[in-house]
Amino acid sequence: AQTVTQSQPEMSVQEAETVTLSCTYDTSESDYYLFWYKQPPSRQMILVIRQEAYKQQNATENRFSVNFQKAAKSFSLKISDSQLGDAAMYFCAYIVGQGGSEKLVFGKGTKLTVNP
Amino acid sequence: DAGITQSPRYKITETGRQVTLMCHQTWSHSYMFWYRQDLGHGLRLIYYSAAADITDKGEVPDGYVVSRSKTENFPLTLESATRSQTSVYFCASSEISRARRYEQYFGPGTRLTVT
Repeated sequence: AQTVTQSQPEMSVQEAETVTLSCTYDTSESDYYLFWYKQPPSRQMILVIRQEAYKQQNATENRFSVNFQKAAKSFSLKISDSQLGDAAMYFCAYIVGQGGSEKLVFGKGTKLTVNP
Repeated sequence: DAGITQSPRYKITETGRQVTLMCHQTWSHSYMFWYRQDLGHGLRLIYYSAAADITDKGEVPDGYVVSRSKTENFPLTLESATRSQTSVYFCASSEISRARRYEQYFGPGTRLTVT
């Protein structure tokens, strides 16, 4: 079964500090996409960052960056200079399937608390 | 307004009733998806559609029916609601081009309670 594992159900960080959320996945494919989604209390799912597996360079989006270790099937999210608005559930996900049948598989999420 | 909308946002229904959740997107995205979100399970795919009149099952399709007669609409029907279908339901869409297809845009969700 293709799975995504987020081993930290909850994390907390002090405002302005850095936090890393972990994610591992299981796939036999060589070309795929990985994502981190943020879900604040409003419930809206917001795409934070995307990584293409064939690219060795780690993706970055402002204060958000990933550490992508393809051989280890690891895809962690680093949030720098944490802000109160970063408090949310964070979901790791990746695409499975091909040829029109691609689907996202989600982890169970990590709840991030940002302390002032 | 452009985007993806869901209606109703909240719904309470009784066991055995038929319920339809609506999803509408204005981007003309080819792909549309229905997920349910439950505590401890993250988001699980119920059904998806690659284009009008093309649908396929996801991870948890039992008890649900979908249709897609128009590109912009993707309704989800619970034919005979059960308490286990109490959940938050999300609709999503994505483009067909390889560079963008895998980026899914989510609606605001529908909280459904079955009593």
